Amino acid sequence: EAGVTQSPTHLIKTRGQQATLRCSPISGHTSVYWYQQALGLGLQFLLWYDEGEERNRGNFPPRFSGRQFPNYSSELNVNALELEDSALYLCASSGGLLRDTQYFGPGTRLTVL
Amino acid sequence: KQEVTQIPAALSVPEGENLVLNCSFTDSAIYNLQWFRQDPGKGLTSLLLIQSSQREQTSGRLNASLDKSSGRSTLYIAASQPGDSATYLCAVSESNYQLIWGAGTKLIIKP
Repeated sequence: EAGVTQSPTHLIKTRGQQATLRCSPISGHTSVYWYQQALGLGLQFLLWYDEGEERNRGNFPPRFSGRQFPNYSSELNVNALELEDSALYLCASSGGLLRDTQYFGPGTRLTVL
Repeated sequence: KQEVTQIPAALSVPEGENLVLNCSFTDSAIYNLQWFRQDPGKGLTSLLLIQSSQREQTSGRLNASLDKSSGRSTLYIAASQPGDSATYLCAVSESNYQLIWGAGTKLIIKP
């Protein structure tokens, strides 16, 4: 069974640009979670999507947004990039009988220059 | 506001030793607590999940305990091996499935 996949692995952008990160959950999982892991700040919850709807949002500005598609894959968009957006962005999925357990992808390393 | 703290921030021990990693949280109204492992440059691997009604969970050489009333969890690693070297993260889940994370303990097992 394939795990959670994320693309791209690395992304380099300049300040002011937009970044789009993608996540494919484990087959059968309907929930997707996004987390930011910035250096020195630890992991912080960004967004939770379930069945195509945004269910919860962390303490991030509106320029962080996303969506979940009918096939449960998800996209995270970061507009007007700032230097401090440089981080590892992790996606996780959950669902089925083990609803409580989140399975993580390898992450996308975003660097803003 | 829930806060999760992990002590120590870093730990280096010789191979073969038993060790304990600590996690504390400020609000006992949690849904569950999870321990994860993160290898450098990689994603997270879930190690153990303890529901709020449980006291402990075991998987191989790993044992995690939960004391909700005192806001504490420990991860016990028996007979440590160099392959156990990684950063260990503790996270608590509240009813909205949001995970709140500790800063992690960086563990180095010396051969």
